Amino acid sequence: GAVVSQHPSRVICKSGTSVKIECRSLDFQATTMFWYRQFPKQSLMLMATSNEGSKATYEQGVEKDKFLINHASLTLSTLTVTSAHPEDSSFYICSASGAGEETQYFGPGTRLLVL
Amino acid sequence: AQSVTQLDSHVSVSEGTPVLLRCNYSSSYSPSLFWYVQHPNKGLQLLLKYTSAATLVKGINGFEAEFKKSETSFHLTKPSAHMSDAAEYFCVVSAGGGSNYKLTFGKGTLLTVNP
Repeated sequence: GAVVSQHPSRVICKSGTSVKIECRSLDFQATTMFWYRQFPKQSLMLMATSNEGSKATYEQGVEKDKFLINHASLTLSTLTVTSAHPEDSSFYICSASGAGEETQYFGPGTRLLVL
Repeated sequence: AQSVTQLDSHVSVSEGTPVLLRCNYSSSYSPSLFWYVQHPNKGLQLLLKYTSAATLVKGINGFEAEFKKSETSFHLTKPSAHMSDAAEYFCVVSAGGGSNYKLTFGKGTLLTVNP
């Protein structure tokens, strides 16, 4: 149980284009979803927290207009990187937790490369 | 505020020998603590968690961790390393329900297992 998927697993795009990453909880209802960014050989940095049906809460220093998060259902959250630039290249990982649940279950990650 | 310190960035062991990955935490209240494992280019998998029940926590794949409040430690151990244990390990503390259970990650410990 508690499986989280992400799609795509890897994406290459041109600078200036937008990219959408999907995060799905496959066998439970995810009232809260989290988006992280991980640079090579570094730890995970929380970008934002989203509760189903509410606006996402962004961490300090994360541009909400650049990283658009939608959490419209209890099984799906999306992260859209708008007008991507090479410095946005990274490994993006989502996680999900159920109502009142402390444990987060992580997706497999999406490798984004912006040329 | 809370923080996590993983005392070793890299640990190298021989197959069949014990594993010890060290973690110290700082928290202003009774924390929940987790260990996650990340294999290359993959998401994070939960190994075990401590939530104020038994101080010795058993996880998957033969790993266990002991919560020591007096030492503010939560070290991860395994009696006998296997080649498949080679991965990055993260010690994590939860911020509690008032903060949507946001996680604070340590910087990670890379475990290398030599044949």
